[in-house]
Amino acid sequence: EVQLLESGGDLVQPGGSLRLSCAASGFSLSDYAMAWVRQAPGKGLEWVSVISGSGNSRFYGDSVKGRFTISRDRSKNTVYLQMSSLRADDTAVYFCVKDRGDYYDNSGLGFDYWGQGTLVTVSS
Amino acid sequence: DIQMTQSPSTLSASVGDRVTISCRASQSISSWLDWYQQKPGKAPKILIHKASSLESGVPSRFSGSGSGTEFTLTISSLQPDDFATYYCQQYFIYSSFGQGTKLEIK
Repeated sequence: EVQLLESGGDLVQPGGSLRLSCAASGFSLSDYAMAWVRQAPGKGLEWVSVISGSGNSRFYGDSVKGRFTISRDRSKNTVYLQMSSLRADDTAVYFCVKDRGDYYDNSGLGFDYWGQGTLVTVSS
Repeated sequence: DIQMTQSPSTLSASVGDRVTISCRASQSISSWLDWYQQKPGKAPKILIHKASSLESGVPSRFSGSGSGTEFTLTISSLQPDDFATYYCQQYFIYSSFGQGTKLEIK
């Protein structure tokens, strides 16, 4: 059974850093692209970042480019999102999402599993 | 970037109604579009994959159609459990979501 368990959400001050983790089970990260999607309070869904199954390709949304870094640890079957220079508008629930396949030519096959989300609050 | 525009933003309907939600892409995305349902405090649940494929376990009153830039989600006969927010998502290039359509009880 596929499971995605996010952790690491917290209250952080503007300008601070935070690392989110997504522990995956029931499949191997090497075979699938993994993404992060966020949702600000009362707002819609926003695609944040994706990492390919090989780990060699990583892409970011414009709003987080240069500030967030996606990575993964194959031995732990875990995906990470390192967030720095955090701003108030980064406040959101962050969902870890599994793609149905790997990433080729800047596209995947759509998402099939979502985690329950972890809340990041950026405030002084 | 591919922009996704949903309409309407809010829809008021009654149990038993047939409702349609539209999604327009800023460029052609072929059929690389999914539809989700989200309820408060929960992760989105996928309903339709690749524009028109009903996801396993999803009731047959949900259907999707379209290709290129114009897509539609139809609920043939609204049930009480269907009142929620619906999103379209493209994955032709990276990914992006529509702004959502809130389906309310009239």
